[in-house]
Amino acid sequence: DIQMTQSPSSLSASVGDRVTITCRASQKIGTYLNWYQQKPGKAPKLLIYVTSSLQSGVPSRFSGSGSGTDFTLTINSLQPEDFATYYCQQSYSTPYTFGQGTKVEIK
Amino acid sequence: QVQLQESGPGLVKPSETLSLTCTVSSGSISDYYWNWIRQPPGKGLEWIGYVFYSGDTDYNPSLKSRVTMSVDTSKGHFSLKLSSVTAADTAVYYCVRAYSSVGWFDPWGQGTLVTVSS
Repeated sequence: DIQMTQSPSSLSASVGDRVTITCRASQKIGTYLNWYQQKPGKAPKLLIYVTSSLQSGVPSRFSGSGSGTDFTLTINSLQPEDFATYYCQQSYSTPYTFGQGTKVEIK
Repeated sequence: QVQLQESGPGLVKPSETLSLTCTVSSGSISDYYWNWIRQPPGKGLEWIGYVFYSGDTDYNPSLKSRVTMSVDTSKGHFSLKLSSVTAADTAVYYCVRAYSSVGWFDPWGQGTLVTVSS
């Protein structure tokens, strides 16, 4: 199985901050890396697919980059509605696997 | 806009079989991969497997011996069966669409909590 490791596991930030979350795969996965946002009691929501493509309806302050084994999700100018848990996921091969999640909390 | 809705018992006894159905509405079940993903309370996400609209399946090896997935294109739904459940199978179960076998997961059903307890 491909292991996905996110860092940090949690972070505290203020509205307006720029936030960066990293995701590392245990082997090369090309650009088959997706990002999801999950709020308490809700299903995850797709934010970014194949590393850097923004899902329709997702604000442009979200962006993704990377390739191979190292990937980044960036949130520019954090908004109150962005406080949530973020997961990366590889779709390079089955079993598809997720990172452990990064919880973004209000400072 | 396609919508997915899980249904099934919220409580299953240990050693019994968990059975869930996902109904696909406002969209075709053809040409997509239909996945089940679960999330134990307070924990992360685990991919269980998928069933292609043709009936082909791929399961997580960690659960493969206990999982069966099927699809009924005429009724617009797909199903999950997980046998010999234990408390470790207590989780929110999501049904999710993927565009391809290397695709992303979207959309997701709202999820259904299944508790394994006597």
